Amino acid sequence: SAVISQKPSRDICQRGTSLTIQCQVDSQVTMMFWYRQQPGQSLTLIATANQGSEATYESGFVIDKFPISRPNLTFSTLTVSNMSPEDSSIYLCSVYTGLAFFGQGTRLTVV
Amino acid sequence: QQQVKQSPQSLIVQKGGISIINCAYENTAFDYFPWYQQFPGKGPALLIAIRPDVSEKKEGRFTISFNKSAKQFSLHIMDSQPGDSATYFCAASMGTSGSRLTFGEGTQLTVNP
Repeated sequence: SAVISQKPSRDICQRGTSLTIQCQVDSQVTMMFWYRQQPGQSLTLIATANQGSEATYESGFVIDKFPISRPNLTFSTLTVSNMSPEDSSIYLCSVYTGLAFFGQGTRLTVV
Repeated sequence: QQQVKQSPQSLIVQKGGISIINCAYENTAFDYFPWYQQFPGKGPALLIAIRPDVSEKKEGRFTISFNKSAKQFSLHIMDSQPGDSATYFCAASMGTSGSRLTFGEGTQLTVNP
């Protein structure tokens, strides 16, 4: 298994601002993943973050809006830029170690 | 082709009963099928996962049944308890990108005392 810590756990932000979410894993992993869960909805993959290379974004998600860093094998950040109320969601970090595990998520509210 | 269809959307079961949630997929390249349990305000917790080389996997009260030819898999929760009340998600992925998951829509399970 893997222990995944996300910070912050929740935040309320003003529209037009940016928030950076941190994800720390207790072991080295090759790939880390970022998901979005809109209110009452399922999870949607935003991007795959590999150490030492650019993140790979899914259709509908762009780097300018969701820049990702992956400086080492245990840490990644996701930034939600120029936020609007539509960005209010839970953002989740995930890793795969033979099984796929998720962090507790960051609950973002944009006002 | 990437979709995973989950049913029912909501399910009410009496304590001690069996809860059954079904999922169907299209992409035959999927080879990893996990189920997650999510409580309000929490991240999804991995319950149990299966790969296509077996037709059934059991862990405690939770069983996955897998039908490769029908491209369907299901979660059975035996002796359902009120503490099992949560949202359940099936998911699927392929190859070594095990966390590049495609999720079902989710099932809201309520177990009445």
